[in-house]
Amino acid sequence: AAGVIQSPRHLIKEKRETATLKCYPIPRHDTVYWYQQGPGQDPQFLISFYEKMQSDKGSIPDRFSAQQFSDYHSELNMSSLELGDSALYFCASSLASFEQFFGPGTRLTVL
Amino acid sequence: GIQVEQSPPDLILQEGANSTLRCNFSDSVNNLQWFHQNPWGQLINLFYIPSGTKQNGRLSATTVATERYSLLYISSSQTTDSGVYFCAVNFDYGQNFVFGPGTRLSVLP
Repeated sequence: AAGVIQSPRHLIKEKRETATLKCYPIPRHDTVYWYQQGPGQDPQFLISFYEKMQSDKGSIPDRFSAQQFSDYHSELNMSSLELGDSALYFCASSLASFEQFFGPGTRLTVL
Repeated sequence: GIQVEQSPPDLILQEGANSTLRCNFSDSVNNLQWFHQNPWGQLINLFYIPSGTKQNGRLSATTVATERYSLLYISSSQTTDSGVYFCAVNFDYGQNFVFGPGTRLSVLP
């Protein structure tokens, strides 16, 4: 069965640089979620999209933005990166608000 | 505020032992899922269980939504069961998951 795809799997950036993370949800899933997991912490919700419209927003910094495209893939854009942005970023997808399926994550390291 | 609690925070078992992990939540829920995060960071779906009982091999889970808790049972534990187990809850008024702090399980050979 198809799973959620995330790219890249690993990313190393310098402070103040920008990064773009991509997510390809499971086919026919209509909702995409982004979560951030810092070292030793539980995942924290950032933002979600339902049918390409932003549906919910969590603790997402103003430096971050996201969108969902017509093919349902989503991108998380992060600017002016800080050391504290180093984390594992998960994308998840679901059909409506039911079971969420998580991708393998993108590990971002900011130096 | 919204709270999801998990206990115990840490658990060390000998291979072959059984264990019960608990998740308490502070409000009524739409959904509840249990995840296993392996040492490589992957979040693996164990159960989607907003209510009732499910079993999958050596694992089973029970959610009593009216009493706001869920239990994850691991029987005959194996070293590959090591990792962090998260309970995640989707409350009635939101779509996103709120994760508990996790239970870190170490299974020793």
